[in-house]
Amino acid sequence: EAAVTQSPRSKVAVTGGKVTLSCHQTNNHDYMYWYRQDTGHGLRLIHYSYVADSTEKGDIPDGYKASRPSQENFSLILELASLSQTAVYFCASRRLGGNYAEQFFGPGTRLTVL
Amino acid sequence: GQQVQQSPASLVLQEGENAELQCNFSTSLNSMQWFYQRPGGSLVSLFYNPSGTKHSGRLTSTTVIKERRSSLHISSSQTTDSGTYLCALERPGTGSNRLTFGKGTKFSLIP
Repeated sequence: EAAVTQSPRSKVAVTGGKVTLSCHQTNNHDYMYWYRQDTGHGLRLIHYSYVADSTEKGDIPDGYKASRPSQENFSLILELASLSQTAVYFCASRRLGGNYAEQFFGPGTRLTVL
Repeated sequence: GQQVQQSPASLVLQEGENAELQCNFSTSLNSMQWFYQRPGGSLVSLFYNPSGTKHSGRLTSTTVIKERRSSLHISSSQTTDSGTYLCALERPGTGSNRLTFGKGTKFSLIP
């Protein structure tokens, strides 16, 4: 069974502080993604990566950095956390190649910025 | 405009009734992925459906590309089906196979 794990599962951060969210997958997938979900809305793509040591901007990258140190690990970094970044963050992975391949999601990290 | 529109935004049915959830899209599609979001927030992938009809137990997904729509049918709904259902369009040609999500349908059952 494909597995995507996230840590921490929840976090409270202060405005202006640095936050790092981590994602680990054991799927042997090349693609990894970070999405955020705001209350009452669907998910939106922040950053993604298709190979280690390389990341790409998604649809809403402002205020976020990403890091892919290995195929298995993908981090999302908030250098200066702001109130507007309070949300639930989901990580996902997908295999590279082929037209049809679903994304597998982690359990989510609930971030509250105060 | 919004590329993926889900309807209805909320749905309340009696237990045992059938439910039909719709997802309409305005852009080209590689596939549609349907999710169930538990009240605690975690996502469960229900279907990955590029076209045609797929079945899984009481659930049926139908994607009709020409009509730019995908639907999720829940038959004989049960209280455990309560939660939010999200559809997500996988866009071709973006270099990322990124998903564009609808805002979801909140589904509630009356026992």
